[in-house]
This record gives sequence, structure tokens and C-alpha cells, in this order.
Amino acid sequence: ETGVTQTPRHLVMGMTNKKSLKCEQHLGHNAMYWYKQSAKKPLELMFVYNFKEQTENNSVPSRFSPECPNSSHLFLHLHTLQPEDSALYLCASSQDISLAKNIQYFGAGTRLSVL
Amino acid sequence: QKEVEQDPGPLSVPEGAIVSLNCTYSNSAFQYFMWYRQYSRKGPELLMYTYSSGNKEDGRFTAQVDKSSKYISLFIRDSQPSDSATYLCAMSVGNYQLIWGAGTKLIIKP
Repeated sequence: ETGVTQTPRHLVMGMTNKKSLKCEQHLGHNAMYWYKQSAKKPLELMFVYNFKEQTENNSVPSRFSPECPNSSHLFLHLHTLQPEDSALYLCASSQDISLAKNIQYFGAGTRLSVL
Repeated sequence: QKEVEQDPGPLSVPEGAIVSLNCTYSNSAFQYFMWYRQYSRKGPELLMYTYSSGNKEDGRFTAQVDKSSKYISLFIRDSQPSDSATYLCAMSVGNYQLIWGAGTKLIIKP
């Protein structure tokens, strides 16, 4: 158990559906991240929140919409996705983005399939 | 050219062998180097963390950084079937933006 919990673990959705991914961390961290992991590709950073404020949006399409109501919870709202969005979506947390030594702790991910 | 290059494997070795996993990088400003291990159907977990150059040892694992060659390595001694996983290298200049390799899949055969 890493202290970062993601739900659901698996999600299948059609291109017209709307769904949300949830992440919760119990580590007392202030920074949370969404990553996309595709087969044989490096992790792609999507969004970063620090103390609930979004600090990075890495040119992510608007069909992905993040929400961070507090430092412990992070959501990724999905709508009108494309088949190429099928991937493992990972949530991570770290103490603070301002620290040079930035250790990120990951959840188990949500495996998303877009049909 | 990718910022971080990592051979995707798979790398298959017999149990008990010494394993060497490597990454090369192009940005000489990287100061912080990490190795994460990712089991199937799990998220990455931090295995080793090194600042600047040199070696770091933790049990059967040794992380090595050669900044002059822009090359980092992870050595696993007395490899076990439970070491079978994908190993991801990551590095940064000293902020939250980690630059990742694509991962090497390692298989340890009993």
C-alpha cells in the first residue's frame, strides 16, 4: 500500500461517455499529479496541483479536465475521449513541488479503454 | 533525440544472475536520479534515489551515476523471480518535473 488510492482500477467507456477518475492520498502531501502511461513510452505528465492550485497543464486536450478540491483528493473528468486516449492513468503525490528532492508516490492506476 | 534513452527489453536472465539496467541522457543539468520499479498492474514505486554522481547501495541493489558519460545504471545482485518487473529511470534538474525513460522489462527465470 503506497498511501495513494485510485478508483476505479479499470474503466471501459465509449467515445460519447462522461466519466471521472478519482485519486486520494493519505500521506499528508501538498502536491498531486496526473500522468498518462502508454505501452513502451515514458510517463507523460498531464497536470500538477500544489496546495490545490493548478501549476501545470502540459498541453493536455480539453477533453481531460482536472479538479482538486483539497490537497488529499484529485479528480480527472473525462468526456468525448478518443481511442488513442486508452492508457494507464496514474496519480502521484509528493511533499511539495518546490523541493529539489521531489519523491513522487504513485497509485496503482486506472486502466482506461476507449471504444 | 529523446532526453532519456532506456532499452525496453525484455531482458531475461536466470535466477541468481547479476542484472545491469541502464539509461543514458542528454541534459547535463540533471542532478537527481531515480529508479522506480513497476510490477504488473501496479504503479511505479521508488527503488533508489541518487543525487549527483557516485554509487549508492541498498541491499542487493546498487545505483550508479556517471555524469561525465551521462549514464546511469542499476545493478541487482543475486536476482530473484520476485525482481521480475519493469524498471523505470527518472531524473530531474531539481524540481517536480521528472524526465522518464520508457522502462526496461526484466524477467528472472527460476
